[in-house]
Amino acid sequence: KAGVTQTPRYLIKTRGQQVTLSCSPISGHRSVSWYQQTPGQGLQFLFEYFSETQRNKGNFPGRFSGRQFSNSRSEMNVSTLELGDSALYLCASSPDRVTEAFFGQGTRLTVV
Amino acid sequence: AQSVTQLGSHVSVSEGALVLLRCNYSSSVPPYLFWYVQYPNQGLQLLLKYTSAATLVKGINGFEAEFKKSETSFHLTKPSAHMSDAAEYFCAVSPINQAGTALIFGKGTTLSVSS
Repeated sequence: KAGVTQTPRYLIKTRGQQVTLSCSPISGHRSVSWYQQTPGQGLQFLFEYFSETQRNKGNFPGRFSGRQFSNSRSEMNVSTLELGDSALYLCASSPDRVTEAFFGQGTRLTVV
Repeated sequence: AQSVTQLGSHVSVSEGALVLLRCNYSSSVPPYLFWYVQYPNQGLQLLLKYTSAATLVKGINGFEAEFKKSETSFHLTKPSAHMSDAAEYFCAVSPINQAGTALIFGKGTTLSVSS
């Protein structure tokens, strides 16, 4: 069974640009969550999608958004990038309720 | 709001020694609890989970954790450390009465293992 796939693995963007990250969950999993990991703030929950609907949202500005498609694949978008958005963005998939979440390898975003 | 505290941002042990990584949570209702491990430039791998069944939970790679409600703790242990255990470990909680999969993570503990 294939794991969680995140693309791209690495990304370099300039301040003010926008970026889209992609996540393909494990087959059959309907929940996709996104997390931001930075040395200073650690792992922080961004949002969760279940059956194409945002079910939970963390405390991030509106520049961070996401969506989920009918095949459960998810994308997150960050607009008007700031230097502080440089981080490892992790996607996790779960069957439904969080009895366990499986993480992808992450996308390393660097904003210059 | 729920929170997770991992005592000690860095723990060093010798190969073969006991590993003890501490995790305390704050919640009026015992949540679901997890331990994850992260190797450099990798995602998170689930070591073990507590979902209100047995209080002593066994995980992969010889790790186990004990849920203690009275102490609001979920410490991770391994009897004998291996060099390959060197990594960063995260404790996480998920509110039991919340729909969805929002995990709240501790700050992490880096485990170093010396020969």
